[in-house]
Amino acid sequence: KQEVTQIPAALSVPEGENLVLNCSFTDSAIYNLQWFRQDPGKGLTSLLLIQSSQREQTSGRLNASLDKSSGRSTLYIAASQPGDSATYLCAVRDNYGQNFVFGPGTRLSVLP
Amino acid sequence: EAGVAQSPRYKIIEKRQSVAFWCNPISGHATLYWYQQILGQGPKLLIQFQNNGVVDDSQLPKDRFSAERLKGVDSTLKIQPAKLEDSAVYLCASSRPGRVKQYFGPGTRLTVT
Repeated sequence: KQEVTQIPAALSVPEGENLVLNCSFTDSAIYNLQWFRQDPGKGLTSLLLIQSSQREQTSGRLNASLDKSSGRSTLYIAASQPGDSATYLCAVRDNYGQNFVFGPGTRLSVLP
Repeated sequence: EAGVAQSPRYKIIEKRQSVAFWCNPISGHATLYWYQQILGQGPKLLIQFQNNGVVDDSQLPKDRFSAERLKGVDSTLKIQPAKLEDSAVYLCASSRPGRVKQYFGPGTRLTVT
């Protein structure tokens, strides 16, 4: 059974810092991995999707990498801003099922 | 395009009562998902519909939870009777057939006292 963990559970940084969020999964036979953002009281917004054949994806100040063999993904946020404050979740879709298994998320606070 | 709509946004009930949540997906999205998100955890899939047929309900507690999507558009998730551990946010999402990207609604926050 696929299990997804995220470290740290919470992170607080001053504005302008570069930061890395970590995601680990137990079964490396994945189809793809997705990073989401969740704002309080709102649903999830997809940020980046990495297919199993890819090593990384970039969108603006966000860069996500994938290392299937070690069961890890990182989300790199450059030049953080207060508007980046949210919970970031990673989700893995494996080769056996059709749906995502989510991690518990990292709650990020960027202080002005 | 309009996003996924859910109602109500908040609901407080006592244990053993029943409750129902409603979801209207994005127009043209044949696939609809219901997730349960307990505080501090990631969403857990409860049920997935393709049009009005169930694709996956393996994690739905069928003794108390039920869901339907009669005309392949709107969906209703019901809990009867509710337990304290059902306190969570219930998220609805939709996607186009065969597409990975899911669009999420704002969720319904349920508190069972």
